[in-house]
Amino acid sequence: GAVVSQHPSRVICKSGTSVKIECRSLDFQATTMFWYRQFPKQSLMLMATSNEGSKATYEQGVEKDKFLINHASLTLSTLTVTSAHPEDSSFYICSATTADGYTFGSGTRLTVV
Amino acid sequence: AQSVTQPDIHITVSEGASLELRCNYSYGATPYLFWYVQSPGQGLQLLLKYFSGDTLVQGIKGFEAEFKRSQSSFNLRKPSVHWSDAAEYFCAVGARNYGQNFVFGPGTRLSVLP
Repeated sequence: GAVVSQHPSRVICKSGTSVKIECRSLDFQATTMFWYRQFPKQSLMLMATSNEGSKATYEQGVEKDKFLINHASLTLSTLTVTSAHPEDSSFYICSATTADGYTFGSGTRLTVV
Repeated sequence: AQSVTQPDIHITVSEGASLELRCNYSYGATPYLFWYVQSPGQGLQLLLKYFSGDTLVQGIKGFEAEFKRSQSSFNLRKPSVHWSDAAEYFCAVGARNYGQNFVFGPGTRLSVLP
């Protein structure tokens, strides 16, 4: 089936630095990708929807200048957490729509120290 | 607006016992329904999904779910739980037209006693 490859799986960064998370669709083209964030013991919350070749659509309360999303090709979407702070520590996961539904990446555990 | 509720935050069962995780949804049209499992620190794994047809859906790892339109429910069941089933389970609902995102329920944490 369709696979979304997400990297890195874990990252630790210093406060104030930026971190880039990549999601690649393997063997299919992902016109749209979704980015979610999950805080400990909570459900997944949609952060933004990225569309290839256009600006991402952010959910209310998500800072677009802090969470930069780029979807420059049909197989790659990236989420960059800029000037990360400890409160940005979370589990980030992407998904893409496929012919038979939705496929998720394996997630990225971000820890900001 | 679509929404998903999972009434049970945490369930504990003994290994070998049966399991039912509840899911109720609110949606303006016929939904796509999903169950995902998430092990600690891991990503999401699709257990099963319902799009149309037979309302009893079989999934991986011995799980099944039944879509009941009259009750707006999509409960997940397993006849005999294994210790490795301990995880977080999420019900989700999405739109029929691909390209739409969907909504996750709050999740139910399953603990399994030896």
